[in-house]
Amino acid sequence: SQQGEEDPQALSIQEGENATMNCSYKTSINNLQWYRQNSGRGLVHLILIRSNEREKHSGRLRVTLDTSKKSSSLLITASRAADTASYFCATGLTSNTGKLIFGQGTTLQVKP
Amino acid sequence: SAVISQKPSRDICQRGTSLTIQCQVDSQVTMMFWYRQQPGQSLTLIATANQGSEATYESGFVIDKFPISRPNLTFSTLTVSNMSPEDSSIYLCSVRPLGNTGELFFGEGSRLTVL
Repeated sequence: SQQGEEDPQALSIQEGENATMNCSYKTSINNLQWYRQNSGRGLVHLILIRSNEREKHSGRLRVTLDTSKKSSSLLITASRAADTASYFCATGLTSNTGKLIFGQGTTLQVKP
Repeated sequence: SAVISQKPSRDICQRGTSLTIQCQVDSQVTMMFWYRQQPGQSLTLIATANQGSEATYESGFVIDKFPISRPNLTFSTLTVSNMSPEDSSIYLCSVRPLGNTGELFFGEGSRLTVL
């Protein structure tokens, strides 16, 4: 079953602009992760934020987590055409079974 | 990290047949999972592959339709049985390596088309 809802479903921006994607979830979590999927390929892990963290950075990526609102956002700064992909949030539940529940995803297109 | 090889990468299958997908990891991992991604959709967890015992299936998935084996720490198979066109999807193997913080590593997926 899907845990997360993401918005927007699709986003189109120009190279150099920032892209923001949002994710909401329903149950208590241990961590929240973001993944990228290029067309027809497997998923690549981008960043993990724990439930006791509020913000995390990795290169051009910035992730925030608000557990009171059960929401997270992924910001990609200074986007590049190579950032064109689908982005998924995934939640690791407090039961810590290791499995992740994925959101619906945001399709990002960065125009050169 | 972990490098995952999935076979086949893609296949076209006839209705009513079964296909087994293999997942080989280059290192020992604690957990292995199988996900399904239907066309244009997100990932849905099918089951957790448990070493040496029966897999743990998510709601809506049953062993008769998706039998899974995991004979050791680096290998697992997923069989899609008695296929119908609705089974046309990408099937992804994912693993959680020993000692990591929680992220999963994914294979490239097996794209099945059922006619």
